[in-house]
Amino acid sequence: GQNIDQPTEMTATEGAIVQINCTYQTSGFNGLFWYQQHAGEAPTFLSYNVLDGLEEKGRFSSFLSRSKGYSYLLLKELQMKDSASYLCAPLDSNYQLIWGAGTKLIIKP
Amino acid sequence: GAVVSQHPSWVICKSGTSVKIECRSLDFQATTMFWYRQFPKQSLMLMATSNEGSKATYEQGVEKDKFLINHASLTLSTLTVTSAHPEDSSFYICSASRLAGGPYEQYFGPGTRLTVT
Repeated sequence: GQNIDQPTEMTATEGAIVQINCTYQTSGFNGLFWYQQHAGEAPTFLSYNVLDGLEEKGRFSSFLSRSKGYSYLLLKELQMKDSASYLCAPLDSNYQLIWGAGTKLIIKP
Repeated sequence: GAVVSQHPSWVICKSGTSVKIECRSLDFQATTMFWYRQFPKQSLMLMATSNEGSKATYEQGVEKDKFLINHASLTLSTLTVTSAHPEDSSFYICSASRLAGGPYEQYFGPGTRLTVT
């Protein structure tokens, strides 16, 4: 079956760094997306990885290891507005996004 | 950009009535559109995938006669919730994908909050 595993909730301090891990099992693999979703809003795109390694985009970076079925999202210089859910979503062999429940990130002053 | 709009953003309707939600890609042609439903504190649940000009593919457990999807053009898809009941109250989100150029990223609309009384 297809499965996504992320921590349910994480707490971090404003200005700090946090890493959100994701392990996945899918039927085939065509890359992995990270989305951010604020409460009551639709998801917004953060990053896409299809090859192994680190992709950096400003304060956010995403890492992928295809052999381990593992990805992480790294958020630096945390701001209060980063409080949201972060969704790890791999693309399966049918190019369908597989969604987990996401990680709720709480930022404290 | 790649902007997707949804209308209405929220709707309240009485049990037994039908509600239509529109999803439009504003600045690109969407070969494929997706409809999701999300209950509070739960993950996105894919309801159906639709390609322009063809019938939608529904996920297991989603009643196609209750959730009517029409994807008549490359910029518009509609979801009609027929004979709505309180248990259909949810956050409905559409997304659109343009196959050309990859990586099959889905651009999400802002969502429609449906409350059935």
